[in-house]
Formats: sequence, C-alpha cells, structure tokens
Amino acid sequence: SQQGEEDPQALSIQEGENATMNCSYKTSINNLQWYRQNSGRGLVHLILIRSNEREKHSGRLRVTLDTSKKSSSLLITASRAADTASYFCATAYILTGGGNKLTFGTGTQLKVEL
Amino acid sequence: EAQVTQNPRYLITVTGKKLTVTCSQNMNHEYMSWYRQDPGLGLRQIYYSMNVEVTDKGDVPEGYKVSRKEKRNFPLILESPSPNQTSLYFCASSLRSYNSPLHFGNGTRLTVT
Repeated sequence: SQQGEEDPQALSIQEGENATMNCSYKTSINNLQWYRQNSGRGLVHLILIRSNEREKHSGRLRVTLDTSKKSSSLLITASRAADTASYFCATAYILTGGGNKLTFGTGTQLKVEL
Repeated sequence: EAQVTQNPRYLITVTGKKLTVTCSQNMNHEYMSWYRQDPGLGLRQIYYSMNVEVTDKGDVPEGYKVSRKEKRNFPLILESPSPNQTSLYFCASSLRSYNSPLHFGNGTRLTVT
C-alpha cells in the first residue's frame, strides 16, 4: 500500500471556508511534501516540511507535521474557487537497504464552490 | 523561465510501435524522474536518474527504458508499447533528489490501442 495516504479522498466546501487535508504514513521520514494538481496538469510544489519541523506557513497554506503520529495536515485558509484541485502528499524516507525514496499518495480532490 | 518541458502532450499509438517521450529541464537539476499516473493509484515512479549516466529503476519499470546522456534531457522510451501502458506520464526534476522540491512537466497523455 502507499506510504502516504490522504484523507479525505474528496472534499467540497464553500468559498471563504477553510479546507483541511490529512496525510498519514507508515515509516520514518526525512521530509514530507505537499503538491497541487489542476485537472490533469503537472503537479506544483507547495511546501516541504522536514522531519525536525512541526509547522510551516506559505501564504494561506499551513502545514503541520506530527512524527509521533506519523501524520501531516495541510490547511488552506479562506479558500477560493481557484484552489479547486487535487492535493497530494509525498513522503521522503530511507529504504531499509540504503538509499532514499519519495512516494506519493492518491490525493485529496478539493472543490471550492462559489 | 525555469521549466520542465515534455513532448508530446498527447500521443496515440498502436501496440508494438516504439515511441519516445522527451523531457528537458533548464534548471541544471541533477535529479530527474518519470512517473505514471493512473486513476486510484496515484503517481508511481518508473525510473529516476541521480545524475548524468546514472539511472535506476523505480516502482514500475517493466516495459520502459531511459537514458541520461546529458544533464538536461531524460527521455522515456517504450520499445514495444502495450495497452496497459496507456496512462498519463510526468517527468520531474529537482536540485538534490528527495530533499528538494520536484518540478513537474505538464504531462504526456499516452493511449496505446
């Protein structure tokens, strides 16, 4: 199964509301990254949070990381219709035999309605 | 403008006809990777390259080949495409592998009939 899994799979909110998406993972990580994808286009990087960080902000985005619970959340405040997209978490972790790996989850589809 | 360029954007082909999807980045990134995206399965890594002449298999390498002769280019080759390779493909690059953000191309939608 996927190293990182997002929850919920789909989320529908009204413009102006906050949107929260969660990501859970199984093994210890180096960092966790959030990406956005608009309708079949390329993914766009949003935030990278390292394993020794607990919270990061970028504009209306807030990412938290709880390594004890192996989970992260992405909060989008004051959402806009333009935020409608799929959001993916990606976890970077060390393989048992050495080397690193970056694994993507299956994403949360966010729809922001006017 | 810093970007990852993939071509073609759409490709329809028949089973067994060799094809190449090109990928080029202008950011002098060391790390490049190919992914395929299928409904319900998320993004799965096909091959990656840590630098020129250094490539390695990802999670789903069967039926694909890659090469990295120059730092900027990382073509994906399907020697004998089959219908189960119908998918949306993305090339991505980053400065330093997993500890740097990935920059993605706009994707290639491949249909194999």
